[in-house]
Amino acid sequence: AQKVTQAQTEISVVEKEDVTLDCVYETRDTTYYLFWYKQPPSGELVFLIRRNSFDEQNEISGRYSWNFQKSTSSFNFTITASQVVDSAVYFCALKGTASKLTFGTGTRLQVTL
Amino acid sequence: NAGVTQTPKFQVLKTGQSMTLQCAQDMNHEYMSWYRQDPGMGLRLIHYSVGAGITDQGEVPNGYNVSRSTTEDFPLRLLSAAPSQTSVYFCASSYRSSGAYSYEQYFGPGTRLTVT
Repeated sequence: AQKVTQAQTEISVVEKEDVTLDCVYETRDTTYYLFWYKQPPSGELVFLIRRNSFDEQNEISGRYSWNFQKSTSSFNFTITASQVVDSAVYFCALKGTASKLTFGTGTRLQVTL
Repeated sequence: NAGVTQTPKFQVLKTGQSMTLQCAQDMNHEYMSWYRQDPGMGLRLIHYSVGAGITDQGEVPNGYNVSRSTTEDFPLRLLSAAPSQTSVYFCASSYRSSGAYSYEQYFGPGTRLTVT
């Protein structure tokens, strides 16, 4: 069975602070994919990134960066210089060799002025 | 492209009533799935389909039926609604995984269902 743990239920930061959202996963598959999705207050789910198990390179996209470490089964997400528009619930998800996508319980990020 | 569309956006049912949540996509995606989102529990997979005529159960299938007669549509049927089915329902689609490659899923806007 596969599992995704997002231990941080809610995080509150002041605008311009950096913030890291943690994601720890469990799977027996050797080939798997990890994803991050954003759910803003409007409710839709927005795809942010996909990373496969063979690619441990960190990725940066603007203010967003992701750190994938197989040794600790973690796929953490950092927002640099956070903005109010970053306020949302962020979900980490895992897909192994089966067709099913397993989500974590999400981390609610609140960015205030 | 409209992407993934869901209807209705909101629905209130009485216990015991049945209804169908509609989901359609215009991206020619083979894979479609239904999730429910409950507070503190993330998204849980209800049913999924890897192509027309093929469906399978997810993590929480009880009380729901699906069918996939076309590539575009994947309706979710509630047979006899119960208060425990009060939730937000999301439909998603993606290209079917190819070998070791997996595609990201695109989500519809969701249907908020309340069962009284």
